[in-house]
Amino acid sequence: AQSVAQPEDQVNVAEGNPLTVKCTYSVSGNPYLFWYVQYPNRGLQFLLKYITGDNLVKGSYGFEAEFNKSQTSFHLKKPSALVSDSALYFCAVRDGQGGKLIFGQGTELSVKP
Amino acid sequence: EAQVTQNPRYLITVTGKKLTVTCSQNMNHEYMSWYRQDPGLGLRQIYYSMNVEVTDKGDVPEGYKVSRKEKRNFPLILESPSPNQTSLYFCASNGSPTGELFFGEGSRLTVL
Repeated sequence: AQSVAQPEDQVNVAEGNPLTVKCTYSVSGNPYLFWYVQYPNRGLQFLLKYITGDNLVKGSYGFEAEFNKSQTSFHLKKPSALVSDSALYFCAVRDGQGGKLIFGQGTELSVKP
Repeated sequence: EAQVTQNPRYLITVTGKKLTVTCSQNMNHEYMSWYRQDPGLGLRQIYYSMNVEVTDKGDVPEGYKVSRKEKRNFPLILESPSPNQTSLYFCASNGSPTGELFFGEGSRLTVL
């Protein structure tokens, strides 16, 4: 069965510092991996995805994520955090052989000035 | 503007009173789905649809019904709501199985 885990409920970062939001997954086939962001009282917005190809994926708002097959991870990163990045971040995975999209429990990112 | 529209955004109701949450998308997407979001549990899929008249259960379908009579609409029906269905509900659509989801703004439902 496929699954996805976000080991940190909350990540705190100072503005201007790099940030990482962690995600690990388990699927039986090739993974399709996604990151979404949810701002307060809003729906989820797509940030980036990995289907195949380059392990480093660039997305919206300066975010990027690195696919690591051996560690089954897909961590979200940004070189310099902004206060406006504060939000709830969700990792999601789908088995390339046709499984459903499964979401992690979410990580609350807080960026302080 | 490409969007997924849900209504109502907020609803307070009582146990047993049937309600429908509507969802409409203007992107001509074949795939649509409903999720509920609960603290600490992330998003869990309730039902999904691969095309008109084609629907299937997600992970938490109990107490919910859906229909897909038109491509653009995918309403969520709670025939007899109970307090454990108090949650934040999201409708989403995507154009392909590997494509990203487009989400509505959410519907916060409280069942007393």
